[in-house]
Amino acid sequence: EPEVTQTPSHQVTQMGQEVILRCVPISNHLYFYWYRQILGQKVEFLVSFYNNEISEKSEIFDDQFSVERPDGSNFTLKIRSTKLEDSAMYFCATNGAGGGLFFGEGSRLTVL
Amino acid sequence: KNEVEQSPQNLTAQEGEFITINCSYSVGISALHWLQQHPGGGIVSLFMLSSGKKKHGRLIATINIQEKHSSLHITASHPRDSAVYICAVTKTSYDKVIFGPGTSLSVIP
Repeated sequence: EPEVTQTPSHQVTQMGQEVILRCVPISNHLYFYWYRQILGQKVEFLVSFYNNEISEKSEIFDDQFSVERPDGSNFTLKIRSTKLEDSAMYFCATNGAGGGLFFGEGSRLTVL
Repeated sequence: KNEVEQSPQNLTAQEGEFITINCSYSVGISALHWLQQHPGGGIVSLFMLSSGKKKHGRLIATINIQEKHSSLHITASHPRDSAVYICAVTKTSYDKVIFGPGTSLSVIP
């Protein structure tokens, strides 16, 4: 079965540092998403990406966040200057033909 | 008000029991998804429904579009079913997913 792969699985960083989370979506999928889940809370939408541009973003996705697909395969989420409240599990997801959902295993970010 | 609600929030069952998790939503949808999240955190899609009923092994998912309600049933539950089960909806195809709060299931041997 095709997979969405994410790296790193866990990253610990100091407050104020930049973090880049990487995702390799399923190759023939066109719609990509980042979600996050703060410990003990429900999963929240961050941003959707289609045709090399952001199609929708949430209030959480402020100027500290950015996404890009630099080389046609990787899909990255950058947090420019991390805050304590950015500590969460970040999920990459893709949407296949017919609307099927495929999630990566998640990247756990801990900001100290 | 949350657009997707689930009940119960937590559920403990004995191995072998029949389990039902309920989901209600308040928006028009193109599809409803049942997802499973294991303690390690990864999310797996179990079902995508737009009408009727689907079955996969011991799992059955139903949806009533008119009542905006869905149920996930697990027959002959097993400890390996212990996980968080999340109901989620999409308003249109390829739209973002709106997640429910999840139901934490623990199946005791």
